[in-house]
Amino acid sequence: AQKITQTQPGMFVQEKEAVTLDCTYDTSDPSYGLFWYKQPSSGEMIFLIYQGSYDQQNATEGRYSLNFQKARKSANLVISASQLGDSAMYFCAMSGQAGTALIFGKGTTLSVSS
Amino acid sequence: DGGITQSPKYLFRKEGQNVTLSCEQNLNHDAMYWYRQDPGQGLRLIYYSQIVNDFQKGDIAEGYSVSREKKESFPLTVTSAQKNPTAFYLCASSAGSRSTEAFFGQGTRLTVV
Repeated sequence: AQKITQTQPGMFVQEKEAVTLDCTYDTSDPSYGLFWYKQPSSGEMIFLIYQGSYDQQNATEGRYSLNFQKARKSANLVISASQLGDSAMYFCAMSGQAGTALIFGKGTTLSVSS
Repeated sequence: DGGITQSPKYLFRKEGQNVTLSCEQNLNHDAMYWYRQDPGQGLRLIYYSQIVNDFQKGDIAEGYSVSREKKESFPLTVTSAQKNPTAFYLCASSAGSRSTEAFFGQGTRLTVV
């Protein structure tokens, strides 16, 4: 069975600092995808970044990068130069074999202060 | 504009009543999903469908039912058998492959009194 674990219920960071949100996963599928989503207080889910299990390089999207360590089964999200608007809930998610659904971790609440 | 629409945004129902949550997409996606979100629980999968007229139970399907008669639509019925239906419900769709992200609707907040 697939599983996503996010062990940080809440994280606090000051503006302009970098922050790392942890995500570990478990799967027996050799091919899988890892995703990060942001959920502001409005409730919408915003896709941030994707990493494929066979990708050799870590994914980056603007201020977001994914620190993918396959042997450790971790896919941490790094946000550089935090902004007040980054305050939200962040979810790590995984897709597996064809025909299965995306599964999510419990999320981490990030609070950015000025 | 392409997207996924959930309605209504807020829904109030009396205990014991069935209620149907709407989810429509015009992204031509094959796969659609329903998730339930409770505080501190993350998103839990209720049902998903990879193709019209076919769907599979997720981790918490008891007390819920779905249909997929059209590619664009995947309504969720919360039945009176669901013991604790008050929650935030999110519908999503995707192209179906493991490398494509899911697109989400705005969510429906259901309160049962």
